[in-house]
Amino acid sequence: AQSVTQLGSHVSVSEGALVLLRCNYSSSVPPYLFWYVQYPNQGLQLLLKYTSAATLVKGINGFEAEFKKSETSFHLTKPSAHMSDAAEYFCAVTNNNDYKLSFGAGTTVTVRA
Amino acid sequence: NAGVMQNPRHLVRRRGQEARLRCSPMKGHSHVYWYRQLPEEGLKFMVYLQKENIIDESGMPKERFSAEFPKEGPSILRIQQVVRGDSAAYFCASSPSVASTDTQYFGPGTRLTVL
Repeated sequence: AQSVTQLGSHVSVSEGALVLLRCNYSSSVPPYLFWYVQYPNQGLQLLLKYTSAATLVKGINGFEAEFKKSETSFHLTKPSAHMSDAAEYFCAVTNNNDYKLSFGAGTTVTVRA
Repeated sequence: NAGVMQNPRHLVRRRGQEARLRCSPMKGHSHVYWYRQLPEEGLKFMVYLQKENIIDESGMPKERFSAEFPKEGPSILRIQQVVRGDSAAYFCASSPSVASTDTQYFGPGTRLTVL
């Protein structure tokens, strides 16, 4: 069984400050990991994914995430927050023998001017 | 290229009524997945379909819920005799293949409210 825990259901950052969203996973096999973003009234959009290649993964809109096996983590970061980053972010896990994504509960990001 | 379409976006039903949720996958995608998001929870897998076939319905409640993906037309998630606990956001996703590294593209969801 696989699962994801996202620490912090709400994160508030100042514009220009670092964005850090935490994701820890549990998996008995090598995981594939994903970060999705959901803007209000829209579907989930893929930010980036890790599928056993480079451990530092760069995504769209300046986001990146690092896979750390020893810490079972896949935290999402962006060096400088922009107002347009306000959204809900979901971490998800699967593996190379599965198509079912297991999602965390999500983290809502607000950006203060 | 249109994304995954879902309708209606919002659906209100009274207890005991039926709810029909529709999903049109992205052009060229023949794999459809339905997920449900209960309040304060992450999305949970319900069912995986290919054209005219249910491949995996391990996440579907055993009663009242059914899904189809006919040869022509959208995929349909049907909930009979809805109860208050069915209130949730239902998301559809599609992919061009079943490979786990293949991105699943999500629709905007249908928010079902049961009164």
